[in-house]
Amino acid sequence: DGGITQSPKYLFRKEGQNVTLSCEQNLNHDAMYWYRQDPGQGLRLIYYSQIVNDFQKGDIAEGYSVSREKKESFPLTVTSAQKNPTAFYLCASRTGTTVLGNQPQHFGDGTRLSIL
Amino acid sequence: EDKVVQSPLSLVVHEGDTVTLNCSYEVTNFRSLLWYKQEKKAPTFLFMLTSSGIEKKSGRLSSILDKKELFSILNITATQTGDSAVYLCAVENAERAGGTSYGKLTFGQGTILTVHP
Repeated sequence: DGGITQSPKYLFRKEGQNVTLSCEQNLNHDAMYWYRQDPGQGLRLIYYSQIVNDFQKGDIAEGYSVSREKKESFPLTVTSAQKNPTAFYLCASRTGTTVLGNQPQHFGDGTRLSIL
Repeated sequence: EDKVVQSPLSLVVHEGDTVTLNCSYEVTNFRSLLWYKQEKKAPTFLFMLTSSGIEKKSGRLSSILDKKELFSILNITATQTGDSAVYLCAVENAERAGGTSYGKLTFGQGTILTVHP
């Protein structure tokens, strides 16, 4: 089945440790996005990528890094510089606006990151 | 800076009630407004609105956009316990790369809807 797969579902980080969250999609979508969701708040954009080997910072990029070496994959690294990483992380993707018209973003099931 | 404000932040109703969720926005380069439903995990897409005054409908859910007053509403009639969720509103900023739009989304805080039997 086509979709967006995030792994792991739950992740625990020790102080000073970098951790990487995986996001894979088999929808042939060009654009991919990472969001952070905190309790009582909406989603905030961390990074997004329009094409392979290119990505842009979102509204809260500090303490995070990404790569886009393949169209299907957009991993997010939460570095030790991110002092408050406990949150729910959501990955999304969408196709560009072409002959199909404007298309919505579709989301994976998320990864919950906690500090040990 | 793009901004989206949803109201109310939470709502508790009984099955069979009708609810109206509100979303107001400010965006520099508006392309579309989207509604999503989030239960425990992934937000699922409900509606995308681009034109004023045209109602979109799916079963008991409907939504409309007012681009002059910069708001949208989501209506749910004859609510059921399965409608309990967080409803998210987002606006798309139409950034363009060549001839293709990869618009950034700005989300509101969400409305938590609880439907009691």
